[in-house]
Amino acid sequence: NAGVTQTPKFRILKIGQSMTLQCTQDMNHNYMYWYRQDPGMGLKLIYYSVGAGITDKGEVPNGYNVSRSTTEDFPLRLELAAPSQTSVYFCASTAPLRDKLGNTIYFGEGSWLTVV
Amino acid sequence: GENVEQHPSTLSVQEGDSAVIKCTYSDSASNYFPWYKQELGKRPQLIIDIRSNVGEKKDQRIAVTLNKTAKHFSLHITETQPEDSAVYFCAASRKGGSEKLVFGKGTKLTVNP
Repeated sequence: NAGVTQTPKFRILKIGQSMTLQCTQDMNHNYMYWYRQDPGMGLKLIYYSVGAGITDKGEVPNGYNVSRSTTEDFPLRLELAAPSQTSVYFCASTAPLRDKLGNTIYFGEGSWLTVV
Repeated sequence: GENVEQHPSTLSVQEGDSAVIKCTYSDSASNYFPWYKQELGKRPQLIIDIRSNVGEKKDQRIAVTLNKTAKHFSLHITETQPEDSAVYFCAASRKGGSEKLVFGKGTKLTVNP
């Protein structure tokens, strides 16, 4: 298994441009997440999905959009990029265990985005 | 929603000493508490986790304790080594729902040789 794969790894955007960060997982996980990590800070949840066709906002959703048309893919769209969106973006996934407590969340390698 | 506070933000120890990082959480329904280690430029990696039905868990030099009444949990690293230097994050989540993690702001641990 490749696990969680994100592309691109690095990108420089100009203010006002748009782009999509791709995320795919091959572990058949229902749950997927997008986090952003600003320098020296913890991870903040942008959007998440508990299954194909279902998405929901996290702590910091403004300026982003997501879609979940398949179990494997969870792309993150940035419309009208702003300098405040300069950050490292991590995609993650897990499988829910409703009859047990706890399950490992797997992270992608991260995407470094700079908006200038 | 859930809020996780983590202390200290930086911690410097001598090789061989112990290190302790503490976190508090606000949502009494949270029942899963993982700890992640993040090296510079890398993704967070799970190092240990604890469920709310246990009070302590150990894995070699690493241990985590949980006090549900006080809503705090701690990471203990014994016999620290230079390769333990990294940023450590605690997190909390409520299992049985969306499983989403809420992270603390991190502790930068430096182990001096």
